[in-house]
Amino acid sequence: GAGVSQTPSNKVTEKGKYVELRCDPISGHTALYWYRQSLGQGPEFLIYFQGTGAADDSGLPNDRFFAVRPEGSVSTLKIQRTERGDSAVYLCASSAEVGQPQHFGDGTRLSIL
Amino acid sequence: GQQLNQSPQSMFIQEGEDVSMNCTSSSIFNTWLWYKQDPGEGPVLLIALYKAGELTSNGRLTAQFGITRKDSFLNISASIPSDVGIYFCAGQPIGGSQGNLIFGKGTKLSVKP
Repeated sequence: GAGVSQTPSNKVTEKGKYVELRCDPISGHTALYWYRQSLGQGPEFLIYFQGTGAADDSGLPNDRFFAVRPEGSVSTLKIQRTERGDSAVYLCASSAEVGQPQHFGDGTRLSIL
Repeated sequence: GQQLNQSPQSMFIQEGEDVSMNCTSSSIFNTWLWYKQDPGEGPVLLIALYKAGELTSNGRLTAQFGITRKDSFLNISASIPSDVGIYFCAGQPIGGSQGNLIFGKGTKLSVKP
C-alpha cells in the first residue's frame, strides 16, 4: 500500500510478557517516528529514526522500551516485561526527511491484562 | 514538558455552520500542523504551516500560523457530517528536536444533520 502500515492492529497480552510492534513506513521515507496515544489524549512522542539510527529517543518512558530500524526501512518497537500502564495505541509515522510533514499509520492497540 | 492548549475541547454544531478552533503555546513554535483523527484510525494531515503569518487553505479548511508564533487556528466552513472527528494541532518548538512533534489534546467535533 501507499501509506504507513502497522502490524498487528490489535495486541492483547498478559502483564509481564514481551511484545513487538512493527511499522512499515511509506516507501522512500528516511525518517520514522513512534508515538503513544492514551484515551482522550493527543499522541506523545517516543522516538524517531533518521535512517538506521535513533536520532532522538528522549520520549521512551523507561528502559523496558526499545526500538530498532536495522535497514533504514521497517522499524520494530519492543516492550519488555509489559505493565498494565503500557496499554495504549502505539502510532508510527514517517516523513520524506526529518522536518517534513509526518504521515501516520492506523496504530497498534495494545492491551495489557 | 511542552504543552499545547487546544480549545474548545468539544463542539456540537449544525450542518452548514462554520467552525473555528485554536491552539496556543507558552513558547515559540517554528512549525504548526493540523490533523484529523477518526475512531480506530491514525491522524491524517490536513494542513502544514511553516512561517509566521502564513494562511493556508485546503478545500473548506483554512489554517493560520499566528504572528507571535505561539498560536494557530483552524477554520472549517460550511461543515458537513463527514467533518465529524477529533482535530489535533501539533507543533515543533524552536530549539526542540526536529522530529519531536508536540500535540494538543484535541477538539472533538460533532455535526448534527
